[in-house]
Amino acid sequence: DIVVTQTPLSSPVTLGQPASISCRSSQSLVHSDGNTYLSWLQQRPGQPPRLLIYKISNRFSGVPDRFSGSGAGTDFTLKISRVEAEDVGVYYCMQATQFPYTFGQGTKLEIK
Amino acid sequence: EVQLLESGGGLVQPGGSLRLSCAASGFTFSSYAMSWVRQTPGKGLEWVSFIDSRGGTYYADSVKGRFTISRDNSKNTLYLQMNSLRAEDTAAYYCAKQVLGYFDYWGQGTLVTVSS
Repeated sequence: DIVVTQTPLSSPVTLGQPASISCRSSQSLVHSDGNTYLSWLQQRPGQPPRLLIYKISNRFSGVPDRFSGSGAGTDFTLKISRVEAEDVGVYYCMQATQFPYTFGQGTKLEIK
Repeated sequence: EVQLLESGGGLVQPGGSLRLSCAASGFTFSSYAMSWVRQTPGKGLEWVSFIDSRGGTYYADSVKGRFTISRDNSKNTLYLQMNSLRAEDTAAYYCAKQVLGYFDYWGQGTLVTVSS
């Protein structure tokens, strides 16, 4: 199975400041079709997960442009350019390149 | 508007069975793969099972042989039949619509508790 490891597990951030979350996979996430199926999800308290970013760097419909994704191969990053109060929650990276699909442990974003 | 509505969760004894349903609307259900994902209380996310538009299936090792995913395209509904339930199956179960390699929409979830 592909192991996906996120760092940090907790991220206290000041409002208006940037935040960054790292995701590393135990093997390359490049699929045989040439795509890299690494996505980022946000889960606000009491809510189901919500798609933010798919295929490394594509923002899903309605996602603010302060969210961006980057990376390649086994190393990926989610960045929030200026954290807002509504960004509080847990962020997960997920790989769907190979079964079984696997998730990172989650990074809890909280306001200082 | 895409909507996914899970139902069928509840309290069940170890060794018992439950069938979860996920009613889909707002998109052409028959054209999309679907998955079930679970989340244990206070813990992270675990993918459980996948079914493609033609009925091909995959399962996590932790549920293989005990859970069965299926779909009824005439009813726009996804199912998860769960047998031989264990305490460690206790979780919120989400259905998710899948587009090649990512889950673009998630349901609100249904809670399954396995306890005597």
